[in-house]
Amino acid sequence: QSALTQPPSASGSPGQSVTISCTGTSSDVGVYNYVSWYQQHPGKGPKLIIYDVSKRPSGVPDRFSGSKSGNTASLTVSGLQAEDEADYYCSSYAGGNSYVFGTGTKVTVL
Amino acid sequence: QVQLQESGPGLVKPSGTLSLTCAVSGGSISSTNWWSWVRQPPGKGLEWIGEIYHSGSTNYNPSLKSRVTISLDESKNQFFLKLSSVTAADTAVYYCASGAWYKWDYWGQGTLVTVSS
Repeated sequence: QSALTQPPSASGSPGQSVTISCTGTSSDVGVYNYVSWYQQHPGKGPKLIIYDVSKRPSGVPDRFSGSKSGNTASLTVSGLQAEDEADYYCSSYAGGNSYVFGTGTKVTVL
Repeated sequence: QVQLQESGPGLVKPSGTLSLTCAVSGGSISSTNWWSWVRQPPGKGLEWIGEIYHSGSTNYNPSLKSRVTISLDESKNQFFLKLSSVTAADTAVYYCASGAWYKWDYWGQGTLVTVSS
């Protein structure tokens, strides 16, 4: 059960969009539509921003969107704002009542 | 709104047992949520440790299963983590989290546990 692969970093200017990939396998991301995304600011606990690949919890801006194709899920942050600067982690159900997280991506707002 | 608060020793000796408590407020541990532990080594990513349901049913990360025990006390609205035979590699911020249907809606602030003699 290996960690899902994310790029270490991504960046964009305010108002631009940034997309983060999350690559797994046919045993996790590729077979289950249970991919979730979490935002983590320094020194804080993670916050759920996307679940079931593309659903947003109440209160999460629609600037955050998710999708999936094959073994790769993606998170897009549109209209980047300063407060979006954080670490982002994907997670997927991996079968057998277990879960796996991604390696994490640090998003910088230039 | 469910709130979670981790507590426990911040320092554990190598080969010892790490023990943490998560206090649940704003909701009942007897609800339909699963109650989980997740850890994050300094400067690194998140790792799912395991989870428990109010019935006592548990699921663990296969890589940690031999060393992990998660339990709960409904009367105190708390759940617990025990990790045995710890080494320096177990040094991490430990989070308790909760949710249903393959996601975690609520997270604690985390507690740093250092394994050192």
